[in-house]
Amino acid sequence: AQSVAQPEDQVNVAEGNPLTVKCTYSVSGNPYLFWYVQYPNRGLQFLLKYITGDNLVKGSYGFEAEFNKSQTSFHLKKPSALVSDSALYFCAVRGYNFNKFYFGSGTKLNVKP
Amino acid sequence: EAQVTQNPRYLITVTGKKLTVTCSQNMNHEYMSWYRQDPGLGLRQIYYSMNVEVTDKGDVPEGYKVSRKEKRNFPLILESPSPNQTSLYFCASSSTVVRGGDEQFFGPGTRLTVL
Repeated sequence: AQSVAQPEDQVNVAEGNPLTVKCTYSVSGNPYLFWYVQYPNRGLQFLLKYITGDNLVKGSYGFEAEFNKSQTSFHLKKPSALVSDSALYFCAVRGYNFNKFYFGSGTKLNVKP
Repeated sequence: EAQVTQNPRYLITVTGKKLTVTCSQNMNHEYMSWYRQDPGLGLRQIYYSMNVEVTDKGDVPEGYKVSRKEKRNFPLILESPSPNQTSLYFCASSSTVVRGGDEQFFGPGTRLTVL
């Protein structure tokens, strides 16, 4: 079965510190992985994706993610958090069907001044 | 402006009263999809469409119908809504999902309450 797990409901970090939002996946075949961000009362916005190639993927707003095939993980990272990064973050994977998407339950990121 | 629009944004209805939530995109995207978002469950895919007249079930299709008669529109139909369909609904589109697919563009959401 295809699935995505985001083990932390909430991550708290101080402004200026590095942040990590965790994601692990289970999918048949090669995974296609995505991160999205949702601000209050808004739709989701694309941050970055891994399709193939370099395991470190760079995306919007200074975010990056590291694909680790052996650990089936795709953690989202940022070297220095901003208060404006506070939002709900979703990891997603394309399934075996290649046409269906599976999302994690979301992680709320709180960045405190 | 490239966008996905949904209407209505908010809807309160009663059990059994048929309703339609419209979705339209102006980016000439082939792929369109409907999701529902529930606390603690994240987003779950209801239906998707690879192109005009091509639709398929996602993970939670029960109680929903869709149609894709035009490339830009992908309405979600609840023929007999029930309280367990109270949720936040998102429509999304992308140019293609071939070879891993492009990122999806999401609409602003429709908050549905079924009493």
